[in-house]
Amino acid sequence: QSALTQPRSVSGSPGQSVTISCSGTSSDIGAYDYVSWYHQHPGKAPRLTIYDVNKRPSGVPDRFSGSKSGNTASLTISGLQAEDEADYYCSSFAGTSWVFGGGTKLTVL
Amino acid sequence: EVQLLDSGGGLVQPGGSLRLSCATSGFTFTNWAISWVRQAPGKGLEWVSAIGGSGGGTDYAGSVKGRFTVSRDNSKNTLYLLMNTLRAEDTAVYYCARQNTGYHDYWGQGTLVTVSS
Repeated sequence: QSALTQPRSVSGSPGQSVTISCSGTSSDIGAYDYVSWYHQHPGKAPRLTIYDVNKRPSGVPDRFSGSKSGNTASLTISGLQAEDEADYYCSSFAGTSWVFGGGTKLTVL
Repeated sequence: EVQLLDSGGGLVQPGGSLRLSCATSGFTFTNWAISWVRQAPGKGLEWVSAIGGSGGGTDYAGSVKGRFTVSRDNSKNTLYLLMNTLRAEDTAVYYCARQNTGYHDYWGQGTLVTVSS
């Protein structure tokens, strides 16, 4: 199972919005509404940010939103804040396995 | 509070073996599938293996199938990953993560495995 494709990096200024894309196939993102996103700060474990395409776990601000169209999912962060700077990973269920993206480094300028 | 605590990492020679543990608390262990996910230095996340709840069905990534074995001791609320015939490319931080229906909701802190002579 190949990794999902994400941009290596994105950036934005405080208050702006950024969108991170995640491209998969008809066997993973396109087949299931089980897309999730995780953020990871250096030296820390990943933390769930979005699940089931567009649901937010308790404690995640509504500035974070997710969507999916066909084989591509997206994470949008609006009203960027300094603490949003992290690595972001997408993931999808793929039948009997899981696949992750290569990660996107978000820089808040 | 849901907690997962990874341990057992270390330095091992190519061809060697290592067993990782994931001690859990704060939830009914037998009700949940658990995954192992690894992250090579400076790289992205890679799903490695998963084991079902009390039933214990297992799945593996192609890169580790036949070399790694996942198991669980439900009496100890603990998950294991036995890694045999280790290769340099297995060098990574290994995380256990609780598997919800379509996502991984809680993660351990990770344990570093280094395969080198």
